[in-house]
Amino acid sequence: GQQVMQIPQYQHVQEGEDFTTYCNSSTTLSNIQWYKQRPGGHPVFLIQLVKSGEVKKQKRLTFQFGEAKKNSSLHITATQTTDVGTYFCAGPAGFGNEKLTFGTGTRLTIIP
Amino acid sequence: EAQVTQNPRYLITVTGKKLTVTCSQNMNHEYMSWYRQDPGLGLRQIYYSMNVEVTDKGDVPEGYKVSRKEKRNFPLILESPSPNQTSLYFCASRGWTEKNIQYFGAGTRLSVL
Repeated sequence: GQQVMQIPQYQHVQEGEDFTTYCNSSTTLSNIQWYKQRPGGHPVFLIQLVKSGEVKKQKRLTFQFGEAKKNSSLHITATQTTDVGTYFCAGPAGFGNEKLTFGTGTRLTIIP
Repeated sequence: EAQVTQNPRYLITVTGKKLTVTCSQNMNHEYMSWYRQDPGLGLRQIYYSMNVEVTDKGDVPEGYKVSRKEKRNFPLILESPSPNQTSLYFCASRGWTEKNIQYFGAGTRLSVL
């Protein structure tokens, strides 16, 4: 079945440093979604990318969808303590979005 | 306020004792889904429902049942819980017009002894 891998599993950065997490799917995706889960919280939708090579920005966060639509990345510039949490990518397992496969997540901790 | 409500938030039970985790959403969403979250494995989909009376298996459906008799409710049933079902469970919902945005409940932490 479809597999979605994320690296790294953990990342510790000094406040103010940049952070990047990478997501790789075993199959081509029609779209990819990113979620953030704060410690003790629930996943919260961040963004969806649909087009090959698409790049979207949300303030200090930059999301990319690969040309082959099998990989994606999330880059955070100048991390802040509010960025702490686990970041998940998720992609549909088939043609529709009914079955969603989540990546294993990257847990980001910030050293003040 | 738009929300997905799960109950209970915490539950400790014993092997074999049937339990139900309720999930309710107030956004009139057609799609609802259950996930379990385990360390190192991320979120894995258990069951999903496209609409009332329409349910289908996700990636890890064994040992679980669901029902969708009403649009707002999507309970998760464990007929005979086992220790390997100890996990953090999330319910989520989505409307067809919202570009696939899933709204998650606060989670239910289940321990099966």
